[in-house]
Amino acid sequence: AQSVTQLGSHVSVSEGALVLLRCNYSSSVPPYLFWYVQYPNQGLQLLLKYTTGATLVKGINGFEAEFKKSETSFHLTKPSAHMSDAAEYFCAVSDRLRGYQKVTFGTGTKLQVIP
Amino acid sequence: NAGVTQTPKFRVLKTGQSMTLLCAQDMNHEYMYWYRQDPGMGLRLIHYSVGEGTTAKGEVPDGYNVSRLKKQNFLLGLESAAPSQTSVYFCASSSGRLLSDEQYFGPGTRLTVT
Repeated sequence: AQSVTQLGSHVSVSEGALVLLRCNYSSSVPPYLFWYVQYPNQGLQLLLKYTTGATLVKGINGFEAEFKKSETSFHLTKPSAHMSDAAEYFCAVSDRLRGYQKVTFGTGTKLQVIP
Repeated sequence: NAGVTQTPKFRVLKTGQSMTLLCAQDMNHEYMYWYRQDPGMGLRLIHYSVGEGTTAKGEVPDGYNVSRLKKQNFLLGLESAAPSQTSVYFCASSSGRLLSDEQYFGPGTRLTVT
């Protein structure tokens, strides 16, 4: 079964600093990987996804993630944090199980941005 | 497009009471899902549906039932609520045809069982 592990349940950065949220995956086949963001009191929305092809994936709001097969990682980065980036971020992997698209989510990382 | 909507947004139940959560999507998606979100545990799949009239169990189905009588609606029922079912419930939908398909989430229902 495929899985993802997010390192760090809470991350704090200063406004303007680099954001780095870590995600490692476990998969026996090339994975389909996602990052979702959840703003307070809202549902999840897609930030970006990796399918095949280019290993550096750009998403919304200036975020990007790099797929590194050798490290089984899909870390999320943003060069300069903004106050509006404060949210919870979920890494996820997609697989097919009994004919349906099963998405397994990580446990989430809460990002705090300090002014 | 409203996307995915959920009703109600908040609910407080006493132990043993029942309730139904309604999810509706207007994207003509075949796949619909119910998740629960608990602190430190991410999202866990309760039940899912791959089309009208079909439902199946996810990771944590005990204590819940679902129905998909219409393609656009997916109902989650709690027959006899327990404090362990205090959680935030999210509905999602996707076309599900490809593993790269994203899931679209509703705003959630915050349920407290006392």
